[in-house]
Amino acid sequence: DTEVTQTPKHLVMGMTNKKSLKCEQHMGHRAMYWYKQKAKKPPELMFVYSYEKLSINESVPSRFSPECPNSSLLNLHLHALQPEDSALYLCASALAGERTDTQYFGPGTRLTVL
Amino acid sequence: GQQVMQIPQYQHVQEGEDFTTYCNSSTTLSNIQWYKQRPGGHPVFLIQLVKSGEVKKQKRLTFQFGEAKKNSSLHITATQTTDVGTYFCAGPNDYKLSFGAGTTVTVRA
Repeated sequence: DTEVTQTPKHLVMGMTNKKSLKCEQHMGHRAMYWYKQKAKKPPELMFVYSYEKLSINESVPSRFSPECPNSSLLNLHLHALQPEDSALYLCASALAGERTDTQYFGPGTRLTVL
Repeated sequence: GQQVMQIPQYQHVQEGEDFTTYCNSSTTLSNIQWYKQRPGGHPVFLIQLVKSGEVKKQKRLTFQFGEAKKNSSLHITATQTTDVGTYFCAGPNDYKLSFGAGTTVTVRA
């Protein structure tokens, strides 16, 4: 099973809402990632979790708050977002986060902030 | 920091023709990975190249890693409509993957 699942597929929220994105993998991977992808652009790394600990925060605004409840789950909590945060949010996982590890991407959540 | 550059940005191909997309890094890479993203989809891993001069084939797709491990190419022969999408190369940069800008391929039937 090389699948990473994400919910919801689509999300529309207002700037005052609080919502959460969820990601799950059952491949035994110990590295998990959140990416943001704008149209016609490559994915941009936001956060990296390694062995359930936040190891990298790419200077992401605090209105995005990641959480890793266990080795299979990754959440992204959203609060007070701006319209420019509208994008495809991708979760990925890798075996251990080493340089040679392949990253497997989930289908993404298409977020629209009104 | 390391940058991965990819050309061309867009490739319009007649069905049945061949094309190549190129990826260049400012530094030597330990490996390079290729992903394909269909319209409305997410990046899907295609292949990883590790060895200098390595060539790998997947049906009509041929991937090559340069001798100096600073460049790579993806060549598609006899393009089909199923090849539509954006192809990204990506190389490790410290703790993360550095993605090229992608080559978006459209196919004329």
